[in-house]
Amino acid sequence: AQSVSQHNHHVILSEAASLELGCNYSYGGTVNLFWYVQYPGQHLQLLLKYFSGDPLVKGIKGFEAEFIKSKFSFNLRKPSVQWSDTAEYFCAVNGGNAGNMLTFGGGTRLMVKP
Amino acid sequence: EAEVAQSPRYKITEKSQAVAFWCDPISGHATLYWYRQILGQGPELLVQFQDESVVDDSQLPKDRFSAERLKGVDSTLKIQPAELGDSAMYLCASSLGTGPYNEQFFGPGTRLTVL
Repeated sequence: AQSVSQHNHHVILSEAASLELGCNYSYGGTVNLFWYVQYPGQHLQLLLKYFSGDPLVKGIKGFEAEFIKSKFSFNLRKPSVQWSDTAEYFCAVNGGNAGNMLTFGGGTRLMVKP
Repeated sequence: EAEVAQSPRYKITEKSQAVAFWCDPISGHATLYWYRQILGQGPELLVQFQDESVVDDSQLPKDRFSAERLKGVDSTLKIQPAELGDSAMYLCASSLGTGPYNEQFFGPGTRLTVL
């Protein structure tokens, strides 16, 4: 069975600070990886995804993530955060025997201080 | 922009009562999902439909939960009887198909509080 772990439950940053949120998954087969974001009062929306190819993927709003297969990791990064990035971020995985069923991590709540 | 619709947005009920949640997926999306998100955790899949058929309901507590998608469009998730531990956000999502590359689009959710 797949599992996803996100190391940081809560992160507090000041505006313009750099962000890196950790995500590790456990599954040895071919997986697809996703980051979803949930802004306060809004629904979950896709930030970026990795299926294959270049392990550095770029998403919306200046976010990027790097897939490191040897480390089973898919960390999310942003060079300079803004107050509007305050949200909860979820890493998710599908693929292999699970097909398109998404397995989510526990989420990281990011607060950006203005 | 097309969105997944859910109602009600909030529901408060007493334990042992029955509750029902409704979801209308994005038009043309054949696959529909119900997730449960307990506070402080990520969403967990309860049931997945392809058109009107259940693809996976292995995580659905079938003694009290039921889900249907009779005409392959909108869907209802029911809990009877509700228990205190059912307090959570119930999310509906839809995608064009069941392949792993199909993006899932999420609705706003129904927040259930069981007293």
